[in-house]
Amino acid sequence: GNSVTQMEGPVTLSEEAFLTINCTYTATGYPSLFWYVQYPGEGLQLLLKATKADDKGSNKGFEATYRKETTSFHLEKGSVQVSDSAVYFCALDDGKAAGNKLTFGGGTRVLVKP
Amino acid sequence: ETGVTQSPTHLIKTRGQQVTLRCSSQSGHNTVSWYQQALGQGPQFIFQYYREEENGRGNFPPRFSGLQFPNYSSELNVNALELDDSALYLCASSYWDREDRYTFGSGTRLTVV
Repeated sequence: GNSVTQMEGPVTLSEEAFLTINCTYTATGYPSLFWYVQYPGEGLQLLLKATKADDKGSNKGFEATYRKETTSFHLEKGSVQVSDSAVYFCALDDGKAAGNKLTFGGGTRVLVKP
Repeated sequence: ETGVTQSPTHLIKTRGQQVTLRCSSQSGHNTVSWYQQALGQGPQFIFQYYREEENGRGNFPPRFSGLQFPNYSSELNVNALELDDSALYLCASSYWDREDRYTFGSGTRLTVV
């Protein structure tokens, strides 16, 4: 079945540091890939997405590139802010044939210190 | 457009009891999915409803059941609660053909004691 593996946290950074969160996946088809962010006490918010190989998703300074050859979708941000402190989830959707459901990784907690 | 609303936000139940969680989908969305997020883990797919019928189910026992209503709102019912059912339950609505348009609610925090 489908699965998503992402690096364990917590990741602690200073403000303006570079952030990378690794994500790899296993899927039977050609999934769409997503990064979601969860702030304390809130639900999940879509951060960015990519629907096919070599696509780059970007939003709010975050980027991730869909790498089919390495089955990866690593999240990066060049200069983090305290407000980026949250839990980040990598996820895939294998489409209608697989039930249109999201498969999530375990989440990576990021703490940015001033 | 309105977002996804879940109720209640928190509740505490005793082992063996039954619970009903509610979700109002975002305007224009016709599909509702439920996820269970245990503490410190990623969300796990429970099931999805489309056109008032279950349309896919994750690895959850039959005591987890649901409903979708004509206005696309939904309920998640859990019978015979167990301690391991303690989790954040997330509802996500979407439009059937647009998997990239999931909108999540803030969740219901269920504690089973």
